[in-house]
Amino acid sequence: SQQGEEDPQALSIQEGENATMNCSYKTSINNLQWYRQNSGRGLVHLILIRSNEREKHSGRLRVTLDTSKKSSSLLITASRAADTASYFCAPDNAGNMLTFGGGTRLMVKP
Amino acid sequence: DTAVSQTPKYLVTQMGNDKSIKCEQNLGHDTMYWYKQDSKKFLKIMFSYNNKELIINETVPNRFSPKSPDKAHLNLHINSLELGDSAVYFCASSPGQRTNEQFFGPGTRLTVL
Repeated sequence: SQQGEEDPQALSIQEGENATMNCSYKTSINNLQWYRQNSGRGLVHLILIRSNEREKHSGRLRVTLDTSKKSSSLLITASRAADTASYFCAPDNAGNMLTFGGGTRLMVKP
Repeated sequence: DTAVSQTPKYLVTQMGNDKSIKCEQNLGHDTMYWYKQDSKKFLKIMFSYNNKELIINETVPNRFSPKSPDKAHLNLHINSLELGDSAVYFCASSPGQRTNEQFFGPGTRLTVL
């Protein structure tokens, strides 16, 4: 397995704005997952995008995947204060082992 | 109903002690994991069990010994605790080895004094 690297490390926006977080990885993948972690809680799975997909939507979330650049982005539209959390990407090439980076800490100000 | 539960939520202990953290999942999943999250928020896998059998051990010191009495439980026993063991430990589960979405417990914050 391999570790995803999220960028930026921290992001602060106003409520209603869009938030974009990026993830880079090093080797080929079967899929890439995004997770959210609220302060003091466990990670919650948000979305999984397979290597043959380029874009996926789930509610206000939009994930893109560019396998040629080995990168993914997570866009949260019309952000809310409740979106304040850390967001982690987890590229997967082994099937049963995920390795997470340090995440992007998103702060949405009301 | 809690899907993946861990006890205790907080654990404060002295260096050299032995302690256990318990994990249970009621999702009927075959695969369970232990992760360690350090102060910089990096989450690293420690162990993975599938149907009570160890399938991943990521070069964790042998002071850490996971025990899986059945596929719904994966407990973590730590001997001779060291200061560097202070972290948040997360248990997780997934339906199978090839199904990748993982469900995490709430974490156990271990502080070694």
